[in-house]
Amino acid sequence: NAGVTQTPKFQVLKTGQSMTLQCAQDMNHNSMYWYRQDPGMGLRLIYYSASEGTTDKGEVPNGYNVSRLNKREFSLRLESAAPSQTSVYFCASSEIAGGIAGELFFGEGSRLTVL
Amino acid sequence: DQQVKQNSPSLSVQEGRISILNCDYTNSMFDYFLWYKKYPAEGPTFLISISSIKDKNEDGRFTVFLNKSAKHLSLHIVPSQPGDSAVYFCAASANNAGNMLTFGGGTRLMVKP
Repeated sequence: NAGVTQTPKFQVLKTGQSMTLQCAQDMNHNSMYWYRQDPGMGLRLIYYSASEGTTDKGEVPNGYNVSRLNKREFSLRLESAAPSQTSVYFCASSEIAGGIAGELFFGEGSRLTVL
Repeated sequence: DQQVKQNSPSLSVQEGRISILNCDYTNSMFDYFLWYKKYPAEGPTFLISISSIKDKNEDGRFTVFLNKSAKHLSLHIVPSQPGDSAVYFCAASANNAGNMLTFGGGTRLMVKP
């Protein structure tokens, strides 16, 4: 019963390097999300995909790109990493695509450090 | 400016006593509120929610209270158990914003045996 799976769990990058965080869910959910968690800031939405084929910016999208590869997979790419992107990243999914808020299912997180 | 605030970064409670975690919000369009619980090295998990048409929702040891006029909600855990030690996030959303949850900064609860 995997739920939401993120890879890698840990990554250290140098400033300017690029990388992609992968996320897959096996719950047949329509919507998927990428959040970042920083101390005292809670979780902030980077990008989301309400349904397959659509993506939209969240609260803090600068420096990131996303791809909804199919219904299961939603990737987050850092094209040129900066120290300000040091954070813990969470992927999440939900059944309800819009209208009424519902429960989100989160992955275990990916800890990224940019030197 | 944070629309959802949890002003207490940490809370320590004795096992068996009540834990009260507080959350304030500023956006009057928020109409659905959720609490998530997070253990170290794990993702947040949904705990309990409340719609703005209610003022109380109860699920076992967990009760969420909503005071719309004060834009305040609280989570009560009775009795508290050591396994409740975790970080608790308050989240809110507006009906026309789908699942775009806005999270508070979190409160770390420590329940001492």
